[in-house]
Amino acid sequence: QQQVKQSPQSLIVQKGGISIINCAYENTAFDYFPWYQQFPGKGPALLIAIRPDVSEKKEGRFTISFNKSAKQFSLHIMDSQPGDSATYFCAASILPRQLTFGSGTQLTVLP
Amino acid sequence: NAGVTQTPKFQVLKTGQSMTLQCAQDMNHEYMSWYRQDPGMGLRLIHYSVGAGITDQGEVPNGYNVSRSTTEDFPLRLLSAAPSQTSVYFCASSLTGKNYGYTFGSGTRLTVV
Repeated sequence: QQQVKQSPQSLIVQKGGISIINCAYENTAFDYFPWYQQFPGKGPALLIAIRPDVSEKKEGRFTISFNKSAKQFSLHIMDSQPGDSATYFCAASILPRQLTFGSGTQLTVLP
Repeated sequence: NAGVTQTPKFQVLKTGQSMTLQCAQDMNHEYMSWYRQDPGMGLRLIHYSVGAGITDQGEVPNGYNVSRSTTEDFPLRLLSAAPSQTSVYFCASSLTGKNYGYTFGSGTRLTVV
């Protein structure tokens, strides 16, 4: 049973555009929602994370929007750059810290 | 550099062989875990540990064993390799507080023929 559903599976965006990746979760006990970025041949790296008591968190060009009532959260990448081309994973966890990952979104930013 | 070190980076096994994937971290993280990554399925938790001497099963534990004799090391053992275990394996570690992200290793690409 997939507890975190991620869409789309792939996304192509023009340079300077906005990339939006969506995730939905089922378990209301989740209390930590990170996003990870993975480049080919590398392990995932933490990009940004949010707690459910906050509706939005912004770090540079990356923003998480969180809708607790809808059990959904999304990653917005503003002014997308070719260097942002990577696979993005949403995740959710409850203590003691096991992360449940979405299936991933392969983002391609065209120059 | 500090971080999570996985060895080997690549491995080919024959069906039925056993092997150990090594994972070591030098950040004094209490929490360590093993994930496998398969196309279209994200990362799935195999086993995890919240401290030395304590391990537990994740979502897909069958065919794998772990042990945690020290804080630094968390090896993953494949008992009798099967083609279904062909995957990329990632080890990750974290402090156990609420606001700490995982640090992942660079992965081991395993092929079982």
